[in-house]
Amino acid sequence: EAQVTQNPRYLITVTGKKLTVTCSQNMNHEYMSWYRQDPGLGLRQIYYSMNVEVTDKGDVPEGYKVSRKEKRNFPLILESPSPNQTSLYFCASSLSGRGRVEGGYTFGSGTRLTVV
Amino acid sequence: GQQVMQIPQYQHVQEGEDFTTYCNSSTTLSNIQWYKQRPGGHPVFLIQLVKSGEVKKQKRLTFQFGEAKKNSSLHITATQTTDVGTYFCAGCGFGSNDYKLSFGAGTTVTVRA
Repeated sequence: EAQVTQNPRYLITVTGKKLTVTCSQNMNHEYMSWYRQDPGLGLRQIYYSMNVEVTDKGDVPEGYKVSRKEKRNFPLILESPSPNQTSLYFCASSLSGRGRVEGGYTFGSGTRLTVV
Repeated sequence: GQQVMQIPQYQHVQEGEDFTTYCNSSTTLSNIQWYKQRPGGHPVFLIQLVKSGEVKKQKRLTFQFGEAKKNSSLHITATQTTDVGTYFCAGCGFGSNDYKLSFGAGTTVTVRA
Protein backbone atom coordinates (compact mmCIF):
# COMPACT_ATOMS: atom_id res chain seq x y z
CA GLU A 1 0.00 0.00 0.00
CA ALA A 2 1.33 3.42 -0.99
CA GLN A 3 1.81 5.42 2.16
CA VAL A 4 3.78 7.85 4.27
CA THR A 5 4.64 6.45 7.69
CA GLN A 6 5.38 8.71 10.63
CA ASN A 7 6.56 7.69 14.07
CA PRO A 8 5.71 8.15 16.82
CA ARG A 9 2.02 9.11 16.65
CA TYR A 10 2.12 10.72 20.07
CA LEU A 11 5.06 12.08 22.03
CA ILE A 12 5.34 13.94 25.30
CA THR A 13 8.79 15.27 26.12
CA VAL A 14 10.51 17.81 28.33
CA THR A 15 12.08 21.08 27.29
CA GLY A 16 15.59 20.65 25.90
CA LYS A 17 15.54 16.91 25.34
CA LYS A 18 16.51 16.18 21.74
CA LEU A 19 14.02 14.18 19.72
CA THR A 20 13.55 12.84 16.23
CA VAL A 21 10.32 12.20 14.38
CA THR A 22 10.78 9.72 11.58
CA CYS A 23 9.08 9.81 8.19
CA SER A 24 9.28 7.20 5.47
CA GLN A 25 7.51 6.87 2.11
CA ASN A 26 7.30 3.85 -0.19
CA MET A 27 6.24 5.61 -3.39
CA ASN A 28 9.67 6.59 -4.69
CA HIS A 29 8.66 10.25 -4.39
CA GLU A 30 11.36 12.86 -4.92
CA TYR A 31 9.71 15.60 -2.90
CA MET A 32 9.13 15.46 0.85
CA SER A 33 8.08 18.09 3.32
CA TRP A 34 7.28 18.70 6.97
CA TYR A 35 4.36 20.79 8.19
CA ARG A 36 3.07 21.78 11.57
CA GLN A 37 -0.61 22.37 12.19
CA ASP A 38 -1.86 24.73 14.85
CA PRO A 39 -5.46 25.85 15.47
CA GLY A 40 -6.44 28.78 13.28
CA LEU A 41 -3.12 28.78 11.44
CA GLY A 42 -3.58 25.90 9.04
CA LEU A 43 -0.54 23.98 7.86
CA ARG A 44 2.76 25.80 7.93
CA GLN A 45 5.77 24.42 6.12
CA ILE A 46 8.87 23.76 8.20
CA TYR A 47 11.33 22.26 5.71
CA TYR A 48 11.15 20.56 2.36
CA SER A 49 13.41 18.40 0.24
CA MET A 50 13.45 18.25 -3.53
CA ASN A 51 15.63 15.15 -3.62
CA VAL A 52 18.37 13.30 -1.76
CA GLU A 53 20.78 15.70 -0.07
CA VAL A 54 18.72 18.71 -1.21
CA THR A 55 16.75 20.49 1.50
CA ASP A 56 15.47 24.02 2.02
CA LYS A 57 13.69 26.07 4.62
CA GLY A 58 9.97 26.54 4.64
CA ASP A 59 8.11 29.30 6.43
CA VAL A 60 8.81 28.26 10.05
CA PRO A 61 12.19 26.48 10.16
CA GLU A 62 13.52 27.90 13.45
CA GLY A 63 14.26 25.20 16.02
CA TYR A 64 14.12 22.34 13.53
CA LYS A 65 16.59 20.35 11.47
CA VAL A 66 16.10 17.82 8.70
CA SER A 67 18.21 15.48 6.63
CA ARG A 68 17.62 13.53 3.42
CA LYS A 69 20.29 10.88 3.14
CA GLU A 70 17.97 8.39 1.43
CA LYS A 71 15.11 9.02 -0.93
CA ARG A 72 12.51 7.29 1.25
CA ASN A 73 13.37 8.88 4.62
CA PHE A 74 13.05 12.46 5.83
CA PRO A 75 13.43 12.73 9.62
CA LEU A 76 12.57 15.88 11.56
CA ILE A 77 14.95 16.71 14.41
CA LEU A 78 14.27 19.01 17.34
CA GLU A 79 17.67 19.60 18.96
CA SER A 80 16.31 21.45 21.98
CA PRO A 81 12.50 21.38 22.02
CA SER A 82 10.58 24.21 23.63
CA PRO A 83 6.90 24.45 24.64
CA ASN A 84 6.10 26.63 21.59
CA GLN A 85 6.90 23.60 19.45
CA THR A 86 3.93 21.75 20.89
CA SER A 87 1.91 21.02 17.79
CA LEU A 88 0.58 18.43 15.36
CA TYR A 89 3.24 17.55 12.79
CA PHE A 90 2.68 16.09 9.35
CA CYS A 91 5.14 14.63 6.91
CA ALA A 92 4.12 14.63 3.26
CA SER A 93 5.55 13.45 -0.03
CA SER A 94 4.82 14.13 -3.68
CA LEU A 95 5.88 13.01 -7.11
CA SER A 96 7.51 16.28 -8.08
CA GLY A 97 7.34 17.54 -11.60
CA ARG A 98 10.11 19.75 -12.94
CA GLY A 99 10.03 22.86 -10.82
CA ARG A 100 6.51 22.22 -9.61
CA VAL A 101 4.64 20.34 -6.94
CA GLU A 102 2.27 18.24 -8.99
CA GLY A 103 -0.26 15.58 -8.27
CA GLY A 104 -0.89 16.45 -4.69
CA TYR A 105 0.76 15.47 -1.47
CA THR A 106 0.33 12.20 0.36
CA PHE A 107 0.32 12.91 4.08
CA GLY A 108 1.36 10.75 6.98
CA SER A 109 -1.03 10.19 9.88
CA GLY A 110 0.59 12.87 11.99
CA THR A 111 2.62 13.15 15.19
CA ARG A 112 1.13 14.98 18.12
CA LEU A 113 4.01 16.46 20.10
CA THR A 114 3.72 17.99 23.55
CA VAL A 115 6.71 19.74 25.08
CA VAL A 116 6.42 20.45 28.80
CA GLY B 1 6.49 34.55 0.10
CA GLN B 2 2.99 33.90 -1.08
CA GLN B 3 0.11 34.00 1.34
CA VAL B 4 -3.11 32.13 0.91
CA MET B 5 -6.24 33.28 2.72
CA GLN B 6 -9.38 31.24 3.13
CA ILE B 7 -12.89 32.32 4.07
CA PRO B 8 -14.96 31.56 5.95
CA GLN B 9 -13.05 29.96 8.80
CA TYR B 10 -16.16 28.09 9.90
CA GLN B 11 -19.19 26.98 7.94
CA HIS B 12 -22.26 25.56 9.66
CA VAL B 13 -24.55 23.99 7.09
CA GLN B 14 -27.98 22.41 7.22
CA GLU B 15 -27.93 18.99 5.62
CA GLY B 16 -29.07 19.28 2.04
CA GLU B 17 -28.01 22.90 1.59
CA ASP B 18 -25.21 24.22 -0.61
CA PHE B 19 -22.19 26.27 0.44
CA THR B 20 -19.01 27.75 -0.98
CA THR B 21 -15.57 28.31 0.51
CA TYR B 22 -13.14 30.79 -1.01
CA CYS B 23 -9.39 30.97 -1.33
CA ASN B 24 -7.36 34.07 -2.23
CA SER B 25 -3.65 34.45 -2.87
CA SER B 26 -1.51 37.56 -2.63
CA THR B 27 0.44 36.43 -5.70
CA THR B 28 -0.27 34.60 -8.96
CA LEU B 29 -0.20 30.84 -8.53
CA SER B 30 1.09 28.17 -10.87
CA ASN B 31 -1.49 25.77 -9.52
CA ILE B 32 -3.84 25.37 -6.59
CA GLN B 33 -4.74 22.21 -4.73
CA TRP B 34 -7.57 21.32 -2.38
CA TYR B 35 -7.42 18.94 0.56
CA LYS B 36 -9.93 17.57 3.04
CA GLN B 37 -9.09 16.68 6.63
CA ARG B 38 -11.62 14.71 8.63
CA PRO B 39 -11.70 15.29 12.41
CA GLY B 40 -8.70 13.52 13.94
CA GLY B 41 -7.32 12.63 10.53
CA HIS B 42 -4.73 13.85 8.10
CA PRO B 43 -5.20 15.99 4.98
CA VAL B 44 -6.23 14.04 1.90
CA PHE B 45 -5.66 15.38 -1.60
CA LEU B 46 -8.86 16.15 -3.50
CA ILE B 47 -7.88 17.93 -6.70
CA GLN B 48 -5.41 20.19 -8.48
CA LEU B 49 -6.25 23.09 -10.78
CA VAL B 50 -3.66 24.44 -13.17
CA LYS B 51 -5.28 26.47 -15.94
CA SER B 52 -6.77 29.93 -15.72
CA GLY B 53 -10.55 29.71 -15.35
CA GLU B 54 -10.43 25.94 -14.92
CA VAL B 55 -13.49 24.21 -13.46
CA LYS B 56 -13.47 20.62 -12.23
CA LYS B 57 -16.21 18.56 -10.65
CA GLN B 58 -16.15 15.60 -8.31
CA LYS B 59 -19.71 14.44 -7.74
CA ARG B 60 -21.23 17.18 -5.53
CA LEU B 61 -18.01 19.19 -5.32
CA THR B 62 -17.16 21.89 -7.88
CA PHE B 63 -13.71 23.49 -7.89
CA GLN B 64 -12.85 26.66 -9.77
CA PHE B 65 -9.59 28.49 -10.47
CA GLY B 66 -9.87 32.21 -11.13
CA GLU B 67 -8.99 33.84 -14.41
CA ALA B 68 -6.07 35.69 -12.83
CA LYS B 69 -4.93 32.51 -11.06
CA LYS B 70 -5.04 34.28 -7.70
CA ASN B 71 -8.23 32.83 -6.31
CA SER B 72 -10.19 29.63 -6.15
CA SER B 73 -13.45 28.31 -4.79
CA LEU B 74 -14.98 25.04 -3.67
CA HIS B 75 -18.74 24.69 -3.94
CA ILE B 76 -20.55 21.75 -2.34
CA THR B 77 -24.15 21.02 -3.26
CA ALA B 78 -26.66 19.08 -1.19
CA THR B 79 -24.35 18.84 1.82
CA GLN B 80 -24.21 15.48 3.57
CA THR B 81 -22.89 14.48 6.99
CA THR B 82 -19.95 12.85 5.19
CA ASP B 83 -18.83 16.33 4.13
CA VAL B 84 -17.86 17.20 7.71
CA GLY B 85 -14.22 18.21 8.04
CA THR B 86 -11.76 20.97 7.26
CA TYR B 87 -11.12 21.94 3.66
CA PHE B 88 -7.77 23.46 2.81
CA CYS B 89 -6.64 25.16 -0.33
CA ALA B 90 -2.92 25.22 -1.06
CA GLY B 91 -1.17 27.32 -3.66
CA CYS B 92 2.10 26.77 -5.45
CA GLY B 93 4.00 29.75 -6.79
CA PHE B 94 6.59 30.38 -9.47
CA GLY B 95 10.34 30.70 -9.49
CA SER B 96 11.81 30.47 -6.00
CA ASN B 97 8.39 29.41 -4.74
CA ASP B 98 8.11 26.52 -7.17
CA TYR B 99 8.52 23.91 -4.46
CA LYS B 100 6.62 25.67 -1.72
CA LEU B 101 3.00 24.75 -1.28
CA SER B 102 1.38 27.33 0.98
CA PHE B 103 -1.78 26.28 2.76
CA GLY B 104 -4.69 28.45 3.77
CA ALA B 105 -5.99 28.24 7.35
CA GLY B 106 -8.88 26.06 6.22
CA THR B 107 -12.67 26.13 6.38
CA THR B 108 -14.10 23.84 9.04
CA VAL B 109 -17.48 22.49 8.03
CA THR B 110 -20.11 21.16 10.41
CA VAL B 111 -23.43 19.75 9.25
CA ARG B 112 -26.79 19.92 11.04
CA ALA B 113 -28.87 16.86 10.33
